Amino acid sequence: RKEVEQDPGPFNVPEGATVAFNCTYSNSASQSFFWYRQDCRKEPKLLMSVYSSGNEDGRFTAQLNRASQYISLLIRDSKLSDSATYLCVVNIPSNTGKLIFGQGTTLQVKP
Amino acid sequence: DADVTQTPRNRITKTGKRIMLECSQTKGHDRMYWYRQDPGLGLRLIYYSFDVKDINKGEISDGYSVSRQAQAKFSLSLESAIPNQTALYFCATRFRQNTEAFFGQGTRLTVV
Repeated sequence: RKEVEQDPGPFNVPEGATVAFNCTYSNSASQSFFWYRQDCRKEPKLLMSVYSSGNEDGRFTAQLNRASQYISLLIRDSKLSDSATYLCVVNIPSNTGKLIFGQGTTLQVKP
Repeated sequence: DADVTQTPRNRITKTGKRIMLECSQTKGHDRMYWYRQDPGLGLRLIYYSFDVKDINKGEISDGYSVSRQAQAKFSLSLESAIPNQTALYFCATRFRQNTEAFFGQGTRLTVV
């Protein structure tokens, strides 16, 4: 089983739609969680950190479910510019502070 | 200017050649990382360093070596490049454990 798993998609949605991505992780001791956005052939950029209480940033909402070991990302009112790959990232607790990346979920927003 | 800078951005090299990828950062972070990204596999850790005297292997270090010349500089070398090292390479920095990583723009390496 992969340490961090995501549905690679692609998710094809119309503008204005609401779309949700899930990500599961295997290490129950994982301490911190992130969603990154990656545009084609470019570097990943932090979209948002995921807190235990959940957090929201404009049209984006992230949730953490420790009991079921998954995190989610909800995008409301999708824009064409949201088309990208979304990477789920989990910090594995150790003296290395290792980040584990999911393979990414591709979102394509259509006009 | 980017906080994490990689050079070169693109490189085509021949099998058996030695090549160095360079990374420099202005964020003042101690932790630096090298990842490679392949389609369908996500980012995989090659090497990481927590300070100038600290070098650690990641999950796919075979065929690679690194040098941490200063807090701000971390270089990745392919001693004898092979075609399956063709990939997108990213350098990243972190302030400390549990914080987010900041990435360089990437180096697209092709080994022919």
